[in-house]
Order: sequence, then C-alpha cells, then structure tokens
Amino acid sequence: AQSVSQHNHHVILSEAASLELGCNYSYGGTVNLFWYVQYPGQHLQLLLKYFSGDPLVKGIKGFEAEFIKSKFSFNLRKPSVQWSDTAEYFCAVNAISGNKLVFGAGTILRVKS
Amino acid sequence: ETGVTQSPTHLIKTRGQQVTLRCSSQSGHNTVSWYQQALGQGPQFIFQYYREEENGRGNFPPRFSGLQFPNYSSELNVNALELDDSALYLCASSLDGGGRIFGPGTRLTVL
Repeated sequence: AQSVSQHNHHVILSEAASLELGCNYSYGGTVNLFWYVQYPGQHLQLLLKYFSGDPLVKGIKGFEAEFIKSKFSFNLRKPSVQWSDTAEYFCAVNAISGNKLVFGAGTILRVKS
Repeated sequence: ETGVTQSPTHLIKTRGQQVTLRCSSQSGHNTVSWYQQALGQGPQFIFQYYREEENGRGNFPPRFSGLQFPNYSSELNVNALELDDSALYLCASSLDGGGRIFGPGTRLTVL
C-alpha cells in the first residue's frame, strides 16, 4: 500500500528565509506526485505536480520540487519565503496503476514578518 | 472555469442518522473523488467515480457510498453515522483522473 511521510508537522521561518519541506513516499511502482497548499480559510490548491520528464518541477508562487526516484522523495523548496506563504502544505502521491491519491499528514508553515 | 462546488457548507447530525453530501465538478471534468479530512490530518481517499462508475476505493466501510450522475456531479452518502465520522469532506474533480481540483469541503459534525 502507498504511504506518504512529511517530516515536519510545524515549521516557523522568518521572511526571506529559505524553505525546504520533506516528503517521502513508499511505493515501488511509477507514481505521480503533487504538492497542495491550503491557505487559512481557503480550500486545497494545487501548487505543483510531477508526472514525468524533468525531475525538477516549478509551480506557482516561486515554489519548486525535486523528484529523486532513488530516495522516493519529492521535497518542496522556495528560496525566499514571504508572510503570505503561511499555510498548510500537503504532499500527495498517486500510483499510475491506480486511482487512489494518498496524502501526507501535512506541514503547517508559519512565516513571521 | 466554474471550479468545484460542494453543498452544504456545514452540517450537524446525530449518531445513527444518514447524510448526503453533494459535489458539482468543474466544467469539462469527468472524474470525481471524495476525501475525508479529520482535524490535524491529511485528506484520506474514500472513493473515485469515473463516468458514473466507481473505479477506486479506500479503506472505508460500505456505509460510505456514492453516486455520479450523467452531468458528472456526485453525491457521497454515509449511513449509520458515528462520532468518528465528524470531519471535513472534500470533493475533487479531474479529467480522466489527472490533476485534481478540490472544492471547499463540507464540515460534518456528528453529535
């Protein structure tokens, strides 16, 4: 069965600090990978996705993620965070042989202004 | 884009009752999936419908059932409600199971 692990449940950063949120998954086959973000009071929004090709994918608002197949990882990065990045971030995995999107527990990011 | 809409926004039920939640998919999307998000946790996959047929199911008991209609809107039905069913229920639509667009959710409270 697929599972997704997000390393940190809470992260606090100052504005302009760099961000890296860890995500590891367990599944031996080919997967599609996603990061979703939930801003306070808003619903889940797709930040970026990886289906195939270049393992470094760029998303909205300056976010990027790198798929490292050998490490079963898909870490999210941003060089310089802003106060408006305060949100909860979810990593999700979908085996291409199935229809089940599996989410991690989420990481709550708080950016101090 | 019309986005994904869900109704109602909030709902309060008592144990043993039944509930129906509704979802309208984004225009052009033919796949709808449902998720349960308990407080402090990530969404858990309940099931997915593609062209009116269930084509994937998570670890939820049979009292969780669903429907998808010809216009690709969907319902989630939960029978014999339990206290642990209290959660945010999310609906997501996609085209052929691709990138999913999520709705705002329905907050269900079971007393």
